[in-house]
Amino acid sequence: EAQVTQNPRYLITVTGKKLTVTCSQNMNHEYMSWYRQDPGLGLRQIYYSMNVEVTDKGDVPEGYKVSRKEKRNFPLILESPSPNQTSLYFCASSLASGGGEQFFGPGTRLTVL
Amino acid sequence: GQSLEQPSEVTAVEGAIVQINCTYQTSGFYGLSWYQQHDGGAPTFLSYNALDGLEETGRFSSFLSRSDSYGYLLLQELQMKDSASYFCASSGGYSTLTFGKGTMLLVSP
Repeated sequence: EAQVTQNPRYLITVTGKKLTVTCSQNMNHEYMSWYRQDPGLGLRQIYYSMNVEVTDKGDVPEGYKVSRKEKRNFPLILESPSPNQTSLYFCASSLASGGGEQFFGPGTRLTVL
Repeated sequence: GQSLEQPSEVTAVEGAIVQINCTYQTSGFYGLSWYQQHDGGAPTFLSYNALDGLEETGRFSSFLSRSDSYGYLLLQELQMKDSASYFCASSGGYSTLTFGKGTMLLVSP
């Protein structure tokens, strides 16, 4: 089954404790992206990657890091989480950027205390 | 940068037709997408317009006018299961898919 998976689905952590949210897709997509969703703000792009070893900042990159060492994986790293990073996070992938269908993962609900 | 405006909420009854509008201000605009999201679940793709005009997919249609920086999603024969949030999103080339803040559609019996 073609899908995007994220882990963990739910996470409660404390300020300053480094964490990684994994994202994996099995569709051989080149383009992957991370979004955060907050009430009333829609989805905002954090980082995106056009291919292996090619990443760039989206609209809200502060406090986040990413890496793309393999085509299928695109982990999101929070080196020192803060309460304002409490949010619902989605990973997405597509064949190409510039429009068309993006496939979203099920989401990771993160709470930083 | 890019920004999109859409109504925050729309209500309708089963069987009706509803139109959700989206206006955008962008640089390097490639096209307009629409996504549906049920209650915090994963957004799912509905349609994409790169060219002016109407795209029809079953009960859903999407329209784009580049000259007016405007698009809409038309939902026909509304069903209860169509109650969800709907997002327009503009694509700006290689990188960005910028989403509007979403329209919550409430379908009542």
